[in-house]
Amino acid sequence: DAGVIQSPRHEVTEMGQEVTLRCKPISGHDYLFWYRQTMMRGLELLIYFNNNVPIDDSGMPEDRFSAKMPNASFSTLKIQPSEPRDSAVYFCASSRTGYRLLAFFGQGTRLTVV
Amino acid sequence: SQQGEEDPQALSIQEGENATMNCSYKTSINNLQWYRQNSGRGLVHLILIRSNEREKHSGRLRVTLDTSKKSSSLLITASRAADTASYFCATDGSSYGNKLVFGAGTILRVKS
Repeated sequence: DAGVIQSPRHEVTEMGQEVTLRCKPISGHDYLFWYRQTMMRGLELLIYFNNNVPIDDSGMPEDRFSAKMPNASFSTLKIQPSEPRDSAVYFCASSRTGYRLLAFFGQGTRLTVV
Repeated sequence: SQQGEEDPQALSIQEGENATMNCSYKTSINNLQWYRQNSGRGLVHLILIRSNEREKHSGRLRVTLDTSKKSSSLLITASRAADTASYFCATDGSSYGNKLVFGAGTILRVKS
């Protein structure tokens, strides 16, 4: 298995632009998590899905952030409009029922908003 | 929010030495995990220890858990340059909605 695949690996965008991050979980995993990592705040859980349904989005910082999972093999995290303080590494992780908290992480997307 | 706090923040040792990292947490937990993150990469799960377990081994890794002190330690024996990475503890428990909450991490540098 190729593992969790995220794209793009790096994204540089101007403030105010829309940014879309993409994630393909491991096949057969029914949980998907989006995390954000910064030096100041460490790793924060933004939202997680079970069977494509958002379960907990309490970590989503603002309405500018939205996440979707249209099917079991694809999820997006969108920021609109982006701001410099959104600069971070965004990780997607997946896991399966019975091992929900044993997460497999993607390589991350390093987002820089200038 | 960060449930776990790792100690030390950074550790530098010579190849072949043992490395010990500690994690303290605030509320009761179901499980505690340790993850490794190489520079510029995602996190990799290393080991999980349940709240009713006290010690667990995996290869050169030894994890202990003391729920009375709300702390855990990760020991890497006979360290190698390839062990250079950041190490995070992660806990889950009802206080945090049974979600996985990560600590700030320990940066380990193994010099060859």
